[in-house]
Order: sequence, then C-alpha cells, then structure tokens
Amino acid sequence: DGGITQSPKYLFRKEGQNVTLSCEQNLNHDAMYWYRQDPGQGLRLIYYSQIVNDFQKGDIAEGYSVSREKKESFPLTVTSAQKNPTAFYLCASKRARGANVLTFGAGSRLTVL
Amino acid sequence: AQSVTQPDIHITVSEGASLELRCNYSYGATPYLFWYVQSPGQGLQLLLKYFSGDTLVQGIKGFEAEFKRSQSSFNLRKPSVHWSDAAEYFCAVGAGQAGTALIFGKGTTLSVSS
Repeated sequence: DGGITQSPKYLFRKEGQNVTLSCEQNLNHDAMYWYRQDPGQGLRLIYYSQIVNDFQKGDIAEGYSVSREKKESFPLTVTSAQKNPTAFYLCASKRARGANVLTFGAGSRLTVL
Repeated sequence: AQSVTQPDIHITVSEGASLELRCNYSYGATPYLFWYVQSPGQGLQLLLKYFSGDTLVQGIKGFEAEFKRSQSSFNLRKPSVHWSDAAEYFCAVGAGQAGTALIFGKGTTLSVSS
C-alpha cells in the first residue's frame, strides 16, 4: 500500500548535536511538507517543497534544514541552532494537481536530553 | 492574516451524545477546509473536506461538517459519539492552488465518558 514512512519513530539527542529525520513517500506526490507539533500549539509549518531541488521556508524554519534530491524523499535536519527541538515532527505530502489533500506520516518524536 | 481558530481546547462528551466541534477561519481567498483526527502518538487522518458545492459535507466515521461563509465557520458534528472517537481534532484551511501549505488550528481534544 502507498503511504508515507517516517523514521525513526523515537529519537533522543544530546544538546549540540544535529539529527536528521527521514521521510519517504511512495504515493508519487509532488509536494512534501514538514510540520512541528507541540502540545496546545497545533501544527506549525517548518519547510515545504513543491518540486525536486526546490523548497521554501515555512513559519518556523530557523534551526532546521531540508533537501529534496528525489521526489520520494524529503529529510529534515534539526540543527544545534534550534533552541527548543523537543517536539513531534510530522511529514506530509500531496499531489501537485487535483484535490488539495495532505497525507500524513505517523510522525517522529525527538527528545533532547 | 490567515488563521484558524478552534475555541475549545478540550471537550468531554458522554458516549452516545451528540458532538459539535467549532472552527472559525480567516482567509483572504476562497477557502478549502478540512478536518483531521489524530490518535495519541500518530499521524493525522483526514475526516472530511470542503472544496465547493453543497455546504454540508459528509466524512468518514459518521462525521459531517457545515460550511457557513457568513460566519467564517466550518463546525464538525457527529450525532452519536463512540468511545473510539476520543482523539485530537484539527481544523485546517488552505488555498485552491496545489502545493500550498495548509494552516492548522491548535486542535480540540475530545474525551468520551461512559
């Protein structure tokens, strides 16, 4: 079945370390997104990409970086510059044409020790 | 500014009772509206969406929502709640152009009492 795979499900990081969260989709979707979720804050957009080799900053891009070298993959790096990285991270995708509906992965929970 | 407001942070409903979750939006263009549901530690699942046409839309799991342009609202309803409906619910708004990101509300947590 098609879907979005996020890994790892749980990740622990020491302060000062960079970590990369993986997001892979086999839905043949063009656009991919990263959202951050904190309790009581809803989902906030970090980065998104509409086509390969192109991406745009969202509302809270500081301290994060992304790449989009393949249509299927959109990894997110949480850098040491992100002051409060402990959160639940959600990857999503959708087609470039037609119904504007996001499909979500199961999420990755990052905890900074 | 574009935004989505879900006024109720937490709602408790008795099993078998009716449910209404409120959502108000502010959006400069014609809005595309969505309701998603999230179980703890999981991703979001689409319940229903409104793009155009009939303002009362039906979704999965017996949910429906009504778009009221004059009130900038898109409230979610269910006539009889089941214990398995306990989850967090998110309202979202987006543009018609494919590729643009959705704006989410902060969510409403639904608890179901027996």
